[in-house]
Amino acid sequence: GAGVSQSPRYKVAKRGQDVALRCDPISGHVSLFWYQQALGQGPEFLTYFQNEAQLDKSGLPSDRFFAERPEGSVSTLKIQRTQQEDSAVYLCASSDSSYNSPLHFGNGTRLTVT
Amino acid sequence: GNSVTQMEGPVTLSEEAFLTINCTYTATGYPSLFWYVQYPGEGLQLLLKATKADDKGSNKGFEATYRKETTSFHLEKGSVQVSDSAVYFCALSVGGSARQLTFGSGTQLTVLP
Repeated sequence: GAGVSQSPRYKVAKRGQDVALRCDPISGHVSLFWYQQALGQGPEFLTYFQNEAQLDKSGLPSDRFFAERPEGSVSTLKIQRTQQEDSAVYLCASSDSSYNSPLHFGNGTRLTVT
Repeated sequence: GNSVTQMEGPVTLSEEAFLTINCTYTATGYPSLFWYVQYPGEGLQLLLKATKADDKGSNKGFEATYRKETTSFHLEKGSVQVSDSAVYFCALSVGGSARQLTFGSGTQLTVLP
């Protein structure tokens, strides 16, 4: 079946531009997560949604980062006024509501800020 | 806080060699432990997990045992294949939910024919 889909696959932005990254989770998955993976590092948690509610945004690195999931399905991660340190792979993952259910990751969006 | 330390790579092995990738952790609370794998050009996939002490997770010939006394979750495989070439990530979560996975930095494995 269809997995987690992220778009675009690659994004190049000039410093100061705004970007929007899209995530289509697996159908029916109530939980959605965003992670940031810097080059050569493991993913780091950014934010978590259960349906449309953003329950945890403690990992967002600054107020330039904003995520939404208005209808409890597709999510968008927006980064305003991008900086070079924002360059990373942004991973989306989803899971169903069962206890300790595994995360299913998308292939990520590689953002390069020049 | 929570952290995961795993063996730095890259690791290069010949086909049919024995593999160990070390992983140790610190956690506030009782963690669940995971190994994820990332094949070239693909997303992270759950390889195996263990949710309590002395549990052994296994999948595709890989195994890891949750050792609470040594706070470790080392990944092993008796005979690696070229198709096992990938990046392997050790991770933990606390509180019975996978939402705040804390990952190690990853270990690149290359298996040569």
